Amino acid sequence: AQSVTQLDSQVPVFEEAPVELRCNYSSSVSVYLFWYVQYPNQGLQLLLKYLSGSTLVESINGFEAEFNKSQTSFHLRKPSVHISDTAEYFCAVSGVGNTDKLIFGTGTRLQVFP
Amino acid sequence: ETGVTQTPRHLVMGMTNKKSLKCEQHLGHNAMYWYKQSAKKPLELMFVYNFKEQTENNSVPSRFSPECPNSSHLFLHLHTLQPEDSALYLCASSQVPNTEAFFGQGTRLTVV
Repeated sequence: AQSVTQLDSQVPVFEEAPVELRCNYSSSVSVYLFWYVQYPNQGLQLLLKYLSGSTLVESINGFEAEFNKSQTSFHLRKPSVHISDTAEYFCAVSGVGNTDKLIFGTGTRLQVFP
Repeated sequence: ETGVTQTPRHLVMGMTNKKSLKCEQHLGHNAMYWYKQSAKKPLELMFVYNFKEQTENNSVPSRFSPECPNSSHLFLHLHTLQPEDSALYLCASSQVPNTEAFFGQGTRLTVV
């Protein structure tokens, strides 16, 4: 079985500052890793994913995450945030070939201030 | 329409009512899911339908009853709910075994 820990429930940051949202996972098998974003009154949208290959994955809006197997982490980073990045961010894990068993973290609320 | 569509977006119901939530996916996926999202809690996977067969029921109370008539439609039938069942109910679909889940916008349920 897998589990996910998001250590920070809230992350306040000023606009144009860098941000890191932390995610650690545990699993006895190889994993797929995902970051989802949820805007107010919306469902979850996939931000980026790691399935295999390069350990650094990027989204179209400037976020990136790096799969670190030795540290069992998949932290999300952005070098310069915008007001529009204010949202809830969820890290999720599944076993390889078991994407019907997706386990989510508790979420991190990113609040960007002007 | 594209993606995953949920109706209604908002629902207020009394504890003695019976209502149903509807989900439709237009992605050709082979699995559909119901999740419950409550404040300050992780998303809870309620039901999984994989190839139209229910494969997982994470100890969900019987007042929640899922129905999957085909691979594109998923329902959640609700009856005699409790106030603590108030939450955002999210539907999702994926192409098992290797793609991520795509979510609908959710139904905000309030039980009074």
